[in-house]
Amino acid sequence: QLQLQESGPGVGKPSETLSLTCTVSGGSISSSSYFWGWIRQPPGKGLEWIGSIYYSGSTYYNPSLKSRVTISIDTSKNQFSLKLSSMTAADTAVYYCARHVVSVTPRTEYFQHWGQGTLVTVSS
Amino acid sequence: QSVLTQPPSVSGAPGQRVTISCTGSSSNIGAGYDVHWYQQLPGTAPKLLIYGNSNRPSGVPDRFSGSKSGTSASLAITGLQAGDEADYFCQSYDSSLSGSVFGGGTKLTVL
Repeated sequence: QLQLQESGPGVGKPSETLSLTCTVSGGSISSSSYFWGWIRQPPGKGLEWIGSIYYSGSTYYNPSLKSRVTISIDTSKNQFSLKLSSMTAADTAVYYCARHVVSVTPRTEYFQHWGQGTLVTVSS
Repeated sequence: QSVLTQPPSVSGAPGQRVTISCTGSSSNIGAGYDVHWYQQLPGTAPKLLIYGNSNRPSGVPDRFSGSKSGTSASLAITGLQAGDEADYFCQSYDSSLSGSVFGGGTKLTVL
């Protein structure tokens, strides 16, 4: 059974860089069938896709966050990671990692399996 | 403001049927891209409920169904149960953003 687990600091200061890691178990992150994505949810609010990565290292990001986001992958550890720079209070959210099903033709994409999420609070 | 528009809340009595709408535009649902639905029970991560407009993953009861027409999609839940109380989110691909977009979410209350 596929499981995803987010890890990283729960608190950060304004202007710092957030670093989170997602560890995948019960399946290979090197599967050619899937992307791996990050989604966040501010307290009491909706979901926002941050970006996704393929096992080859190919990435695509939400344009609203692209200038501050870097997603990387380590297939040897079955992990992928998120870095979000220049944090502000608006980045306070629960951050989820997920297996991202992406089909090019026809174009469709959805998040098939989710981690439990980790709360990141940005505060001075 | 979310790219996809959902009603903030819906409610129904046990056993009843409710529907949740999701309205998009010509760059997402109206362009023919699939709509997917997620259920988020209180304090938990979202769970895929419907994919490809109307397909249920293994284990999702057939009380949950999805449909799409034009620039909108709907999630229907029949035989409402107390355990269905949750937030429901729609999601699609948007060609203008070249990525996934979500609705703002709908809170379902079972009276």
